[in-house]
Amino acid sequence: GQNIDQPTEMTATEGAIVQINCTYQTSGFNGLFWYQQHAGEAPTFLSYNVLDGLEEKGRFSSFLSRSKGYSYLLLKELQMKDSASYLCAVMDSNYQLIWGAGTKLIIKP
Amino acid sequence: IAGITQAPTSQILAAGRRMTLRCTQDMRHNAMYWYRQDLGLGLRLIHYSNTAGTTGKGEVPDGYSVSRANTDDFPLTLASAVPSQTSVYFCASSEAGTVYEQYFGPGTRLTVT
Repeated sequence: GQNIDQPTEMTATEGAIVQINCTYQTSGFNGLFWYQQHAGEAPTFLSYNVLDGLEEKGRFSSFLSRSKGYSYLLLKELQMKDSASYLCAVMDSNYQLIWGAGTKLIIKP
Repeated sequence: IAGITQAPTSQILAAGRRMTLRCTQDMRHNAMYWYRQDLGLGLRLIHYSNTAGTTGKGEVPDGYSVSRANTDDFPLTLASAVPSQTSVYFCASSEAGTVYEQYFGPGTRLTVT
């Protein structure tokens, strides 16, 4: 079966750094996506990794290890507006996205 | 304004009734998708369409049907609603082909009583 695992909830402090992990087992692999979803809103695209390594985009970075079936999203200099759910999704061999349940990130002042 | 619109925003529906959720995009994307999102579960694909005139079944297609008469519109129909179809429904679109990010509409919150 196909499976995406990520923590249900994490708490961090404003200005700090947080790492959200995602592990996956899927039928084929055509890349891993991270999306951000604020409460009551639609998911919005953050990053895409298809090769091993770190992709940096401003305060957000995403890492991929295909051999370990593992990715993480790193958020630096946390701001209150970063309070949201972060969704990990893997594109399988049929080019369909398989989604994790999401990690709710709570930022405290 | 470029993007995806969905209607209605929310709806309360009696079990057994028929309902069509509307989705329109103006980005000229070939591929469109319908997902449902339930608490504690990831987004689950209901149906998809890679191009106008074609549709395919996703992970949870039972009880739902779609059509794709043109590039812009991708309606989702519940023929006879049941309480387990209570969910938030998101429509999304992307460029056709292989790997592209998906753009999501604002969602429809549906409650079946």
